[in-house]
Amino acid sequence: QQQVKQSPQSLIVQKGGISIINCAYENTAFDYFPWYQQFPGKGPALLIAIRPDVSEKKEGRFTISFNKSAKQFSLHIMDSQPGDSATYFCAPGSQGGSEKLVFGKGTKLTVNP
Amino acid sequence: EAQVTQNPRYLITVTGKKLTVTCSQNMNHEYMSWYRQDPGLGLRQIYYSMNVEVTDKGDVPEGYKVSRKEKRNFPLILESPSPNQTSLYFCASSLLAGGLYQETQYFGPGTRLLVL
Repeated sequence: QQQVKQSPQSLIVQKGGISIINCAYENTAFDYFPWYQQFPGKGPALLIAIRPDVSEKKEGRFTISFNKSAKQFSLHIMDSQPGDSATYFCAPGSQGGSEKLVFGKGTKLTVNP
Repeated sequence: EAQVTQNPRYLITVTGKKLTVTCSQNMNHEYMSWYRQDPGLGLRQIYYSMNVEVTDKGDVPEGYKVSRKEKRNFPLILESPSPNQTSLYFCASSLLAGGLYQETQYFGPGTRLLVL
């Protein structure tokens, strides 16, 4: 049974546009919601993360929105740039829960100049 | 510099020839993990370790072995590689705050494996 559903699989945005990636989860015990960014030929790296005590966190052009009742969180990239072209993964986790980690299948973002 | 290192970065081998991919971290992290990345399937966890001598299966452990004899090292062993293990492999580590709370995963640069 799939625990984490990420959408869309791929996304093409024009420079300056808004990119939105969604992650839906099933486990209500999750309380750590990160997004990882992966450039070609590199390992994933943490981009931004949120705890459930807040509904939104902003770091520069990147914003996480969290909806506890809907069991989903989203990554918004404002003023998208060609340098944002990468694959993005969500990987919700929990304190004291399963030590296994489940990643979303990834979203390949392409930002055209 | 805080980092996770993997070796080798690229490997071509033949079916059945045992191989080991090494992973080392210098951040004193308790939690270490191996993932494989395949097109359309994302990152899937193979094995993880909460601390020295403590390892457990992830979602796709078949055909792999691991050991955690030292805190900093977590090698991935393929005793008899098969073509379906051709993939991109990542090692990662993280702190376990309070012994329970997983924090950010730090990934190595990846090992691209081709099994003929």
